Amino acid sequence: ERVMTQSPATLSVSLGERVTLSCRASQGVGSDLAWYQQRPGQPPRLLIYAASTRATGIPARFSGSGSGTDFTLTISSLQSEDFAVYYCQQYNAWPPITFGQGTRLEIK
Amino acid sequence: QVQLQESGPGLVKPSETLSLTCTVSGGSISGYYWSWIRHPPGKELEWIGYIHYSAYTNYNPSLMSRVTMSVDTSKNQIFLKLTSVTAADTAVYYCARNSRRFGELWAEYWGQGTLVTVSS
Repeated sequence: ERVMTQSPATLSVSLGERVTLSCRASQGVGSDLAWYQQRPGQPPRLLIYAASTRATGIPARFSGSGSGTDFTLTISSLQSEDFAVYYCQQYNAWPPITFGQGTRLEIK
Repeated sequence: QVQLQESGPGLVKPSETLSLTCTVSGGSISGYYWSWIRHPPGKELEWIGYIHYSAYTNYNPSLMSRVTMSVDTSKNQIFLKLTSVTAADTAVYYCARNSRRFGELWAEYWGQGTLVTVSS
């Protein structure tokens, strides 16, 4: 099973800041990596798939990169609606598909 | 716009069977892979398994002995059954749509989720 580890667990940031979230796989997953955003009381929302492809309707300030074991999600300029929990998911080595434990973005 | 809606009992007794339905509107279930994912309180998202509209399934090995997924293409519905539940199965349960292509298992559309509590 691929274990996905996200860091940091919580990040305090200010509006307009550039933010980079990390996701590391216990073994290589190629580019089979997705990122999701989850706001309170809402289901996860797909942001990125195939490590770097933005999903339909996702603003350009969200970008993904990486391959193998190390991946990043970058938000170029934080907006108020971006304060949420972010999850990575690998779909390379399954079953099972696995998720990271999440990174929470908080307002500084 | 595709919409997914989970439904089923919010409370299940220990040792009984959890049964959920995902009703899809705004699009057909045909051609796609569909996943069930759950989120226990304070824990990580957990993939339960997926089902293709053809009824081909693939389950999480940790749940395989207790899970059954099925589809009804005429009703545009997907079903989840989880037997012998315990408190550890308490979670928000989501259904989600994956891609048409085998292996492209990101979840593009999600239902709102339904909280299932296991308690006597």
